[in-house]
Amino acid sequence: RKEVEQDPGPFNVPEGATVAFNCTYSNSASQSFFWYRQDCRKEPKLLMSVYSSGNEDGRFTAQLNRASQYISLLIRDSKLSDSATYLCVVNRNRDDKIIFGKGTRLHILP
Amino acid sequence: EPEVTQTPSHQVTQMGQEVILRCVPISNHLYFYWYRQILGQKVEFLVSFYNNEISEKSEIFDDQFSVERPDGSNFTLKIRSTKLEDSAMYFCASSVSRDKYNEQFFGPGTRLTVL
Repeated sequence: RKEVEQDPGPFNVPEGATVAFNCTYSNSASQSFFWYRQDCRKEPKLLMSVYSSGNEDGRFTAQLNRASQYISLLIRDSKLSDSATYLCVVNRNRDDKIIFGKGTRLHILP
Repeated sequence: EPEVTQTPSHQVTQMGQEVILRCVPISNHLYFYWYRQILGQKVEFLVSFYNNEISEKSEIFDDQFSVERPDGSNFTLKIRSTKLEDSAMYFCASSVSRDKYNEQFFGPGTRLTVL
């Protein structure tokens, strides 16, 4: 099983719709979780950290389910500018490495 | 807003040549990282660096790779004898601390093409 798995997509979603992605991780001892966004041929940029209690930042909501070992990202009222690849990132417990998922591509359609 | 910078943006080299990729982390950051991303693949961790020494490295980071912080600002990745499969985007990142909840800030990357 891969350390971090994501549905590669693409998700083609009309503007204004709500879209959700999941990401599963294999190491139950993982401590911290993030969603990064990566535009084509650009660097990853932090979208939001994911806390145990779940957290919301404007149109974006992240959830963590430790029992089932997955995190989710919900985007409401999607905008054209949300088109990007969304990377699930997990920080392992025992070292400095962060493990990236391969990413989920999102295309917002006008 | 402070940012991580990387030079060059694109490096083309012949197989077997040495390359040095340069990064200037954010000035008050203490932890530095190199990642690579082969086209169409996921971002892969290479190495982390703190207090002038490597704190963690991946299996990709073999003897052909080395890192250095030659002065107070630059952080470099050297590939001694490049191979075709080293062609990738190389990202430098830095963070304030080792706190696992801390954001890593990424530079814009150097695209390395090995011919």
